[in-house]
Amino acid sequence: GDSVTQMEGPVTLSEEAFLTINCTYTATGYPSLFWYVQYPGEGLQLLLKATKADDKGSNKGFEATYRKETTSFHLEKGSVQVSDSAVYFCALSGRMDTGNQFYFGTGTSLTVIP
Amino acid sequence: DAGVTQSPTHLIKTRGQQVTLRCSPKSGHDTVSWYQQALGQGPQFIFQYYEEEERQRGNFPDRFSGHQFPNYSSELNVNALLLGDSALYLCASSLVRGLGGAFFGQGTRLTVV
Repeated sequence: GDSVTQMEGPVTLSEEAFLTINCTYTATGYPSLFWYVQYPGEGLQLLLKATKADDKGSNKGFEATYRKETTSFHLEKGSVQVSDSAVYFCALSGRMDTGNQFYFGTGTSLTVIP
Repeated sequence: DAGVTQSPTHLIKTRGQQVTLRCSPKSGHDTVSWYQQALGQGPQFIFQYYEEEERQRGNFPDRFSGHQFPNYSSELNVNALLLGDSALYLCASSLVRGLGGAFFGQGTRLTVV
């Protein structure tokens, strides 16, 4: 079945450091890929998405490229801020005829220290 | 646009009781999905409703049931609560044929004691 494997945390970085969170997936067909962010005590917020191979999603300085050949969707940011501290979830959503069921990774906790 | 709203935000129930959680989807969305997020884990899909019918179901027992109303709002019901049902329950709304992703509510934190 469809699944997402995500780099385990926690990750601690200094402000302005480079961030990479690895994500690989297994899916039949051509899924859409997403990164969601969860701040303490809150629900999930969509950070970025890509709906086909080689698409790059970007938002708030974060980027991820849909790599079909390596089945990956790694999240990157060139210079993290304290406000980026949160839990990040990689997710995929399958074929439209199966609805928008999401499969999530286990999440990666990021702490950015000043 | 109020986005996805869930109620209540927190709930404490006793083992064996029943609970109902509510969700109003984002304006314009026709599909509601429910997820269970245990502490330190990613959300797990419970089921999805579209046109007032359960469209898909994850690996959850029949104690978990739901409903969707004509205005697209939805309820999640859990019977015979177990301690292991303690979790954050998230509602997500989307378009059945959309690729834009789902919008999540803030969740309902259920604690079973």
